[in-house]
Amino acid sequence: NAGVTQTPKFQVLKTGQSMTLQCAQDMNHEYMSWYRQDPGMGLRLIHYSVGAGITDQGEVPNGYNVSRSTTEDFPLRLLSAAPSQTSVYFCASSYSSASGANVLTFGAGSRLTVL
Amino acid sequence: AQTVTQSQPEMSVQEAETVTLSCTYDTSENNYYLFWYKQPPSRQMILVIRQEAYKQQNATENRFSVNFQKAAKSFSLKISDSQLGDTAMYFCAFNTGANNLFFGTGTRLTVIP
Repeated sequence: NAGVTQTPKFQVLKTGQSMTLQCAQDMNHEYMSWYRQDPGMGLRLIHYSVGAGITDQGEVPNGYNVSRSTTEDFPLRLLSAAPSQTSVYFCASSYSSASGANVLTFGAGSRLTVL
Repeated sequence: AQTVTQSQPEMSVQEAETVTLSCTYDTSENNYYLFWYKQPPSRQMILVIRQEAYKQQNATENRFSVNFQKAAKSFSLKISDSQLGDTAMYFCAFNTGANNLFFGTGTRLTVIP
């Protein structure tokens, strides 16, 4: 059981380049999300999906695009990278526990540097 | 607005001692869930403990326990018998039954040998 798999783990881009961060989960979770982590700011939600074909914006969606064609995959696209998008990105999926709490399982993170 | 505040950017504790990390939150919801996540140098986010707001009993997971004060909107994490492997960033977070988590800014804990 691999859990949540993110690729690549590290990436360096030049300003204006585009790229896709991949995320896959094998737990059959309906909900998936992307967060970014910046120093001193905790994790902030970029986009999320409650199921295949359904996506929505989080707190900081500008400059990012997502799609959810399958339950397993939730890629994050940077359309035209900017230095402000230098960050660590986390993908997560979640299930509902018996108590009703939605427990997120995180990937290992992807460190992106935009020069 | 949903907010989470961790007022201690850094803390340290001697190995085998006890340390408490503070967290306060603000929400108008009555039903919600609280979490502590650990992020070691490996960067992986690891769930430490969770608390359902409708439960009065404080959650406990081995050496980790919480002090949940609903009226004060406080959710502190106590680590007993601290170990070197507890050195990490600790994030307090909550959600209101939806899936999205609101995070605090984290507390960097260092366990001193």
